[in-house]
Amino acid sequence: DIQMTQSPSTLSANVGDKVTLTCRASQSIRNWLAWYQQKPGKAPHLLIYKASTLESGVPSRFSGSGSGTEFTLTISSLQPDDFATYYCQQYNSYPWTFGQGTKVEIK
Amino acid sequence: EVRLVESGGGLVQPGGSLRLSCIASGFILNSYEMNWVRQAPGKGLEWISNISSSAINTHYTESVKGRFTISRDNAKNSVYLQMNSLRVEDTAIYYCASGLYFRHWGQGTLVTVSS
Repeated sequence: DIQMTQSPSTLSANVGDKVTLTCRASQSIRNWLAWYQQKPGKAPHLLIYKASTLESGVPSRFSGSGSGTEFTLTISSLQPDDFATYYCQQYNSYPWTFGQGTKVEIK
Repeated sequence: EVRLVESGGGLVQPGGSLRLSCIASGFILNSYEMNWVRQAPGKGLEWISNISSSAINTHYTESVKGRFTISRDNAKNSVYLQMNSLRVEDTAIYYCASGLYFRHWGQGTLVTVSS
């Protein structure tokens, strides 16, 4: 199975900060990577697919990059609505797997 | 508006069975492969199964192979998850989600396995 490792586990930041979340795959997944945002008590919400394609309706302050085994999700200017947990997920090979999540909290 | 609505969760004893359903509205389910994803209390997301649009192909994570069965009825715009031989560690919110990457999600249904 492909293991997905996210770092950091928790990130403390202020509104307006630029934040970068990292996701590493245990083997190459080409660019078959998605990012999700989840708020407490809610279902996850797709942000990015194919490593860098912004889902329709997602604010442009979110961006994704990377290929192979190293990927990043960047929020250019953190907004109050962005405090949440973020997950990466590979869909290169079965079983599809998620990272353990990065919680973005208010500093 | 696209909606996925799960049902069928509840409290069951270890070794018991449940059948989850996911009904779609606002889009044609038969164009999409469909997935079940679960989240144990306070934990992360775990993909557990998917089924191709035609239902020809299914895949499972190792921990549920032989116990869970995914199926679909495109005429009813529905996907199902039959869960047998349930274990305490299967306790989670179960979400259905559409596509190769999960564009649409239901609100989830809680499955609690406990004696």
